[in-house]
Amino acid sequence: EDKVVQSPLSLVVHEGDTVTLNCSYEVTNFRSLLWYKQEKKAPTFLFMLTSSGIEKKSGRLSSILDKKELFSILNITATQTGDSAVYLCARLTGANNLFFGTGTRLTVIP
Amino acid sequence: GAVVSQHPSRVICKSGTSVKIECRSLDFQATTMFWYRQFPKQSLMLMATSNEGSKATYEQGVEKDKFLINHASLTLSTLTVTSAHPEDSSFYICSARGAGGRADTQYFGPGTRLTVL
Repeated sequence: EDKVVQSPLSLVVHEGDTVTLNCSYEVTNFRSLLWYKQEKKAPTFLFMLTSSGIEKKSGRLSSILDKKELFSILNITATQTGDSAVYLCARLTGANNLFFGTGTRLTVIP
Repeated sequence: GAVVSQHPSRVICKSGTSVKIECRSLDFQATTMFWYRQFPKQSLMLMATSNEGSKATYEQGVEKDKFLINHASLTLSTLTVTSAHPEDSSFYICSARGAGGRADTQYFGPGTRLTVL
């Protein structure tokens, strides 16, 4: 069975902290892995990772994929209260659908 | 970026009634639309994939007679929850992708919160 597991399930940090969110997957016919941020409504796209070892960066957020160990991490540096959200990773399936992980709920307190 | 809208944003209905949710791509032609449901504090679960002009493909465990999906045009897909029951209460999110679109060009709607009394 294909699984996408995220850890931790929830995390509370103070503003300015750096956080690392994890996403592991179990699939042999891997295509891509995507990260999304979901505040209260629609998930918004963050990154798509296809190649191993290449870091993608956008401001204080960065992500990298390890296809050998079947995981990805999402880093957020100098966290702000506006980073509070549920972060979802999703695997792109062979059927070209997105299979979402369990999500990590991040709370950044002032 | 591209915009996907959903209507209504929130609906409350009585048990046994049917509810229709609309998903529209506002500035692009969506050849493929996806319907997800999300229970509180849980992740998005894909219910079905629909391609314009053809029947939807439902995920295992999703009753196609209960969740009717119509994708009659390149900008509109509808999900009808028939004979809704309290256990159908959930957050329903659609997403849309254009022809040949990559996964990172799959845009999500704002969701519809359904409460069945």
